[in-house]
Amino acid sequence: GDSVTQMEGPVTLSEEAFLTINCTYTATGYPSLFWYVQYPGEGLQLLLKATKADDKGSNKGFEATYRKETTSFHLEKGSVQVSDSAVYFCALSQGGSEKLVFGKGMKLTVNP
Amino acid sequence: DVKVTQSSRYLVKRTGEKVFLECVQDMDHENMFWYRQDPGLGLRLIYFSYDVKMKEKGDIPEGYSVSREKKERFSLILESASTNQTSMYLCASGLGGGQGNQPQHFGDGTRLSIL
Repeated sequence: GDSVTQMEGPVTLSEEAFLTINCTYTATGYPSLFWYVQYPGEGLQLLLKATKADDKGSNKGFEATYRKETTSFHLEKGSVQVSDSAVYFCALSQGGSEKLVFGKGMKLTVNP
Repeated sequence: DVKVTQSSRYLVKRTGEKVFLECVQDMDHENMFWYRQDPGLGLRLIYFSYDVKMKEKGDIPEGYSVSREKKERFSLILESASTNQTSMYLCASGLGGGQGNQPQHFGDGTRLSIL
């Protein structure tokens, strides 16, 4: 079945550091890809998405590009802030049901 | 903005009790979902519903049931709570319509402890 593999961490960075969170997927067909973020004590929020190959999703300084040839959707940010401390989940959906398959999540802590 | 509201943030119940977790969405979404979130396991789908009175099993339905009598409300039921059901439970809704590329919108979660 479909699956998502992502870096699990936890990861600690200093403010203004560069962030990459790797995400690869296994799926038949052409899934839509998502990054969700979960801030402490909250539910998940959509961070960005891409629905076809070579699409780039971006939001709040984060970017990820849908790479079909490497089945990847790595999340990047050039300069992290303390407020980016959260858990990040990579996910895919396929078909019409909107069912999401999640990676295990990666906890990021950014120190001042 | 879509709002998904879960009735309780924290809940403590005893083994063997029947437990109800309630979720309401205000955007007329077709699809609703229940997940549990556990450290090191990420989010796992328990049940989902794509229409009123319709439900489908997710990856871990054992020990759970659901009810969707109205479009905006999706309830998760633990028939006889056990300690291994202690977890964070997240409800989500989605637009539906067969697109498959729309995001889900999540509630803030219910942290359930079974003693």
